[in-house]
Amino acid sequence: DTGVSQNPRHKITKRGQNVTFRCDPISEHNRLYWYRQTLGQGPEFLTYFQNEAQLEKSRLLSDRFSAERPKGSFSTLEIQRTEQGDSAMYLCASSWWDPAAETQYFGPGTRLLVL
Amino acid sequence: ELKVEQNPLFLSMQEGKNYTIYCNYSTTSDRLYWYRQDPGKSLESLFVLLSNGAVKQEGRLMASLDTKARLSTLHITAAVHDLSATYFCAVERETSGSRLTFGEGTQLTVNP
Repeated sequence: DTGVSQNPRHKITKRGQNVTFRCDPISEHNRLYWYRQTLGQGPEFLTYFQNEAQLEKSRLLSDRFSAERPKGSFSTLEIQRTEQGDSAMYLCASSWWDPAAETQYFGPGTRLLVL
Repeated sequence: ELKVEQNPLFLSMQEGKNYTIYCNYSTTSDRLYWYRQDPGKSLESLFVLLSNGAVKQEGRLMASLDTKARLSTLHITAAVHDLSATYFCAVERETSGSRLTFGEGTQLTVNP
């Protein structure tokens, strides 16, 4: 397994358009996370799934954002009616949940630019 | 609300020197993580610290955790240019959540 993968790696869109990103986690991992990172800041949590269930959403995740993980494998993050403030790096991470220790492994990210 | 603060935010040092990055957090937590990020790249896991007094070392980096003081340190010994990167600490809430709350990051530049 080559780790967490994300597609596309870069996306340029015009304000008001919809965009969708995909994340493929490490195959045996049951948890999948989405974070957003803006320039010069640390990643900010958006949402996470355990298997196909979405267990937590940040208040950063407005109604324009939706995430799915339909079969407990890959996940998609959709942003509707994009705004310039949505420009950021969107990071996906996966982990195998273990109450003793859990390391989240991050993918390369999708860099979004909204014009 | 859990807050995580790192200092310094920017660190320029010479090769061969030692330095420490500090990570303070505002509420009790079970776990603390250190990640490295190179420019334009994703985050690489460095250390997971799970209990008070935990110390982990990998090469020239050593991380420690004091849960009573709500403080973690990342010590750099005899820095080399390859260590130039941004280092983030991240804290996991003590309660059920698995979300990580990250600090702002420390941008480290090691000069020859």
